[in-house]
Amino acid sequence: DTEVTQTPKHLVMGMTNKKSLKCEQHMGHRAMYWYKQKAKKPPELMFVYSYEKLSINESVPSRFSPECPNSSLLNLHLHALQPEDSALYLCASSQDHPVEVFDNSPLHFGNGTRLTVT
Amino acid sequence: GENVEQHPSTLSVQEGDSAVIKCTYSDSASNYFPWYKQELGKGPQLIIDIRSNVGEKKDQRIAVTLNKTAKHFSLHITETQPEDSAVYFCAASMRVSGGYNKLIFGAGTRLAVHP
Repeated sequence: DTEVTQTPKHLVMGMTNKKSLKCEQHMGHRAMYWYKQKAKKPPELMFVYSYEKLSINESVPSRFSPECPNSSLLNLHLHALQPEDSALYLCASSQDHPVEVFDNSPLHFGNGTRLTVT
Repeated sequence: GENVEQHPSTLSVQEGDSAVIKCTYSDSASNYFPWYKQELGKGPQLIIDIRSNVGEKKDQRIAVTLNKTAKHFSLHITETQPEDSAVYFCAASMRVSGGYNKLIFGAGTRLAVHP
């Protein structure tokens, strides 16, 4: 079992709905990430939180809104999504987010939320 | 630009055979190279990683080799078992145009191990 827990496992929402994805880790990691994965593709980085502050936004549309309430929790708020936003949304964590290339620590993924936008 | 190429895209082997997956990367400054295994309905799980100060690393049936001069690294699975069937992703850490570090993933290899 993964040490990064994501809820819900599956979510179906209409284009006018507001929903939230949740992620929790208890490994004491200080960096948390949201990735989006389309079928048969690798994960694509969306956001990085480092020490509970948003440090990277990979030009993600504002209909996706991340939130880090504390060092163990990460949320992704969804509003006015489009059908093309349907994907597997993965949360991940690492010891910290590396400043230098040689500082990398392993990334641990959750099992994702399978999102379908109708 | 930031790029990791992964080959083959699909690989089919008989149980007990070896499997090799190869990746090349574009940034000579990259120095962290993880491999992830993703089973159906699950998230990617780290199976092994290597840093540029090491040429090879082994963990039971899994090994990774790194050639920094040629900018390529490979995953070797020996004595394959049906439970090794999954999609495998290589990745390389790179400094991207935004000035921060990012894991760049390969496109993935779907490995099927037949009993």
